[in-house]
Amino acid sequence: AQRVTQPEKLLSVFKGAPVELKCNYSYSGSPELFWYVQYSRQRLQLLLRHISRESIKGFTADLNKGETSFHLKKPFAQEEDSAMYYCALTSGGSNYKLTFGKGTLLTVNP
Amino acid sequence: EPEVTQTPSHQVTQMGQEVILRCVPISNHLYFYWYRQILGQKVEFLVSFYNNEISEKSEIFDDQFSVERPDGSNFTLKIRSTKLEDSAMYFCASSVGGETQYFGPGTRLLVL
Repeated sequence: AQRVTQPEKLLSVFKGAPVELKCNYSYSGSPELFWYVQYSRQRLQLLLRHISRESIKGFTADLNKGETSFHLKKPFAQEEDSAMYYCALTSGGSNYKLTFGKGTLLTVNP
Repeated sequence: EPEVTQTPSHQVTQMGQEVILRCVPISNHLYFYWYRQILGQKVEFLVSFYNNEISEKSEIFDDQFSVERPDGSNFTLKIRSTKLEDSAMYFCASSVGGETQYFGPGTRLLVL
């Protein structure tokens, strides 16, 4: 069974500080990993996916298969980064269902 | 930029009543999904739909649930006889293939 764990329900940092949102997964195959973000009163939207290896809004995430992790990082947090962040995976192939973690609420204080 | 839309935004119903939640996916997308999020819990997959049939469903998606694409634009989720535990936020999503899923704003369902 596939599972995504986000150990921190809440994370609070000051503006300009580095931020790391943790995500661990369990899946026996080769999953595809995603970070989705939900800003206040807005819909869930894709932030980044490990396959594209992009940096979006200054965020990066590296898939570590040895540690089964996909932590989201940003070197200098901004107030507009305050949002709910969800880590998710699909099992790849033709199975596209997303399995989500419980989410981490990030608050960036001025 | 095209978006997934959902109606209604809120729905209150009595236990045992039928509800239909409506979604309009992005027009050139081929895969459609329903997820739900009970308050305080994680977003959970319900069902995926491709080529006019269900491609996968979760254990939650029992006989009380059904999905339909009645025309070229709408994608609906029907709950035949609602229970208190069906109270949740229901999200529709669509994708071209297996890449990015685009989510709607959700329908908040409250069963009394």
